Amino acid sequence: GENVEQHPSTLSVQEGDSAVIKCTYSDSASNYFPWYKQELGKRPQLIIDIRSNVGEKKDQRIAVTLNKTAKHFSLHITETQPEDSAVYFCAASKNTGNQFYFGTGTSLTVIP
Amino acid sequence: EAQVTQNPRYLITVTGKKLTVTCSQNMNHEYMSWYRQDPGLGLRQIYYSMNVEVTDKGDVPEGYKVSRKEKRNFPLILESPSPNQTSLYFCASSGRPYNSPLHFGNGTRLTVT
Repeated sequence: GENVEQHPSTLSVQEGDSAVIKCTYSDSASNYFPWYKQELGKRPQLIIDIRSNVGEKKDQRIAVTLNKTAKHFSLHITETQPEDSAVYFCAASKNTGNQFYFGTGTSLTVIP
Repeated sequence: EAQVTQNPRYLITVTGKKLTVTCSQNMNHEYMSWYRQDPGLGLRQIYYSMNVEVTDKGDVPEGYKVSRKEKRNFPLILESPSPNQTSLYFCASSGRPYNSPLHFGNGTRLTVT
């Protein structure tokens, strides 16, 4: 089955700096890659997603890039703010079988 | 408001006492699933359902049961809970089985003593 690895497990940045979280996947059939943000005590919520026919997608301060050849995708957050502090999960999905395989999460802390 | 509703939010029980965690969605979604979240392990799928009366095992199904008698409801049943099932549980749904965002419930924190 699919194996999604996520790094780093923890990340601290100064407010205003950029943060990058990376994920790799093993199944070349995976074709949908969402990112979820989970604030403390809350449910995961989708922040951005990308499909395999696209190399990059951007939504204001958040961007995701996908390298299908290398089987990795990354979340980029620019101009970080304290409210960006949360746990971020990547996931991979394909058109058959179980829907999603999740990474183990990255705890991001933005220091004011 | 479109949402996935789980109950209860918190549950403390003893080993062996059967319990059910309910999950309901009002978005007419076909796909529903259950995850458990443990520190350092991320979200692991327990069971999922593609449609009414169609359920299948995820990655960690041992000790759990589910049913999908109606489209909107997908309860998680622990017939004989054990301490290793102490975890944070999330129900989720999506409009399509594949390549579609998951909508999560608010979670159920279960403690089994």
